[in-house]
Amino acid sequence: GAGVSQSPSNKVTEKGKDVELRCDPISGHTALYWYRQSLGQGLEFLIYFQGNSAPDKSGLPSDRFSAERTGGSVSTLTIQRTQQEDSAVYLCASSQTSGRGIRIDTQYFGPGTRLTVL
Amino acid sequence: SQQGEEDPQALSIQEGENATMNCSYKTSINNLQWYRQNSGRGLVHLILIRSNEREKHSGRLRVTLDTSKKSSSLLITASRAADTASYFCATGRNSGYSTLTFGKGTMLLVSP
Repeated sequence: GAGVSQSPSNKVTEKGKDVELRCDPISGHTALYWYRQSLGQGLEFLIYFQGNSAPDKSGLPSDRFSAERTGGSVSTLTIQRTQQEDSAVYLCASSQTSGRGIRIDTQYFGPGTRLTVL
Repeated sequence: SQQGEEDPQALSIQEGENATMNCSYKTSINNLQWYRQNSGRGLVHLILIRSNEREKHSGRLRVTLDTSKKSSSLLITASRAADTASYFCATGRNSGYSTLTFGKGTMLLVSP
């Protein structure tokens, strides 16, 4: 597709259940980022994937959060044993580099998944 | 922790007026970017300014960067009702791939 897509767009779950959120980055983008945005707040960095390198997990708030990126493309963010404070919009972004190694820092965002934990 | 802090938190103006939003940050940066967000969903990249640049223009947008004061401003000229959105500044620490640190944003309301 032309842009970053995320699914589902909305997810309502009960406290204690596990959820999986999916991100399809722009084709050819080697970097993928997950952010979380709570109501009325800025974006909080969660995790970053770059090519085949080990991901930067420094933003994950607890060990209940994990993410994978398969084949350098699609990514899944998993939240285990969800808590009410996990309710937020989860945003995915991707970015690219040019063929000559000139890096492009612009991140392209998906529409987000709104997670509500009851 | 969030590095960028936007000011004001909310801004309400009439169509045709100019809107100015400010952003301050704490640590050294490679670049600073402004994003726009409608209705609490996906962000749209507006403009990027690198640490060795002082001013940049894109259409009705003008961004300035003062690294000595660790601050940036976004000016939207001749605002339109469609400019109503939240505006975020984000700082990148490194050249190349870098996670961005976002502020909490300025909510702009442009009334017809």
